[in-house]
Amino acid sequence: TAGITQAPTSQILAAGRSMTLRCTQDMRHNAMYWYRQDLGLGLRLIHYSNTAGTTGKGEVPDGYSVSRANTDDFPLTLASAVPSQTSVYFCASSDSPGGGGDTQYFGPGTRLTVL
Amino acid sequence: GQNIDQPTEMTATEGAIVQINCTYQTSGFNGLFWYQQHAGEAPTFLSYNVLDGLEEKGRFSSFLSRSKGYSYLLLKELQMKDSASYLCAVRDSDYKLSFGAGTTVTVRA
Repeated sequence: TAGITQAPTSQILAAGRSMTLRCTQDMRHNAMYWYRQDLGLGLRLIHYSNTAGTTGKGEVPDGYSVSRANTDDFPLTLASAVPSQTSVYFCASSDSPGGGGDTQYFGPGTRLTVL
Repeated sequence: GQNIDQPTEMTATEGAIVQINCTYQTSGFNGLFWYQQHAGEAPTFLSYNVLDGLEEKGRFSSFLSRSKGYSYLLLKELQMKDSASYLCAVRDSDYKLSFGAGTTVTVRA
């Protein structure tokens, strides 16, 4: 089982350009999440989706958008990238966000540099 | 929202024990998680506490006191491969995780 895959692994992007980070899971998990990880700040939630067809805003949603057309895919789009969006982006999924011991599983991450 | 504090760095010797503390202030508590993250890799789940007390999983144990807003992760019989960052995360009443900045543990021979 592949679990969660993310693409690309890394990317250098010119400021003002748009980009979509891809995330796919094969565990049939209901919920999916996007985090960014910056040195000294830890993981911060950008957007989430508790089930296909629904999305919600996390702690740092500005400048990002998501869609959840099906269970497996949860792309993250930067419409017009800025240097402050330079970060490592992790996608995660969990089976049942309201479940007692529900655990989030993380993808390998995408390292994005905006110049 | 959540305010989660944990030490930035800790160093210990191979075979020793290290305790990583985590304190939190929360507007709604629905469980506490510990993750391990090796440099350049994704976080991986270690433990989960929702009730007060100690949860033991092999060499790793996690403790929770909800009244004190306090948890610790105990790593016993340290091995070189335990050198990593350890992330404390609190789940709120909306089932979202908030993460601390992480504690980098360095194990020395």
